[in-house]
Amino acid sequence: AQSVAQPEDQVNVAEGNPLTVKCTYSVSGNPYLFWYVQYPNRGLQFLLKYITGDNLVKGSYGFEAEFNKSQTSFHLKKPSALVSDSALYFCAVRDIDQAGTALIFGKGTTLSVSS
Amino acid sequence: DTGVSQNPRHKITKRGQNVTFRCDPISEHNRLYWYRQTLGQGPEFLTYFQNEAQLEKSRLLSDRFSAERPKGSFSTLEIQRTEQGDSAMYLCASSPEGGSSYNEQFFGPGTRLTVL
Repeated sequence: AQSVAQPEDQVNVAEGNPLTVKCTYSVSGNPYLFWYVQYPNRGLQFLLKYITGDNLVKGSYGFEAEFNKSQTSFHLKKPSALVSDSALYFCAVRDIDQAGTALIFGKGTTLSVSS
Repeated sequence: DTGVSQNPRHKITKRGQNVTFRCDPISEHNRLYWYRQTLGQGPEFLTYFQNEAQLEKSRLLSDRFSAERPKGSFSTLEIQRTEQGDSAMYLCASSPEGGSSYNEQFFGPGTRLTVL
């Protein structure tokens, strides 16, 4: 079965410091991987995706993520955090070798950036 | 605004009542999804349409839930005989058939249901 784990419920960083939000996944085939961000009272916003190709994926708002097949990880990173990055972040996976198009989401990680 | 829209944004109902939510996807997107999100959890897939055809249904979609997309444009999600456990945020998403945004799902703001 497909699954996503986000091991940290909350990540706290100071503004200007680098941030990492962790994600590991489990699929039987090859994965499509996604990061979404959710601000209060708003829907999920797409940040970036890994489909194929370069393992380092760059996305919106200066975020990037690195696909590591051997560790089945897709950690979200940003070199310098902003207070406005504070939000709820979701990692999601889809197994491209299985029928169906549903995304499987992790439980989410709350990022808190202090000034 | 050309994003995914959902109505109503909030719905409070009494247990046992029926409710219906509407989703208007991005106009050129032929794929439409419904998810449910409860507090402290990520979204959970409910169902998927390609044009007007409902192609996937999660086991979470009990027989009290029904979804339609009659003309391949907007979709409705109806919950009959609501239960307190149905209280959640119901999210709609759409995606295109192809192009650079293929595989990305664009989410609406959600409908928050509270069952008293």
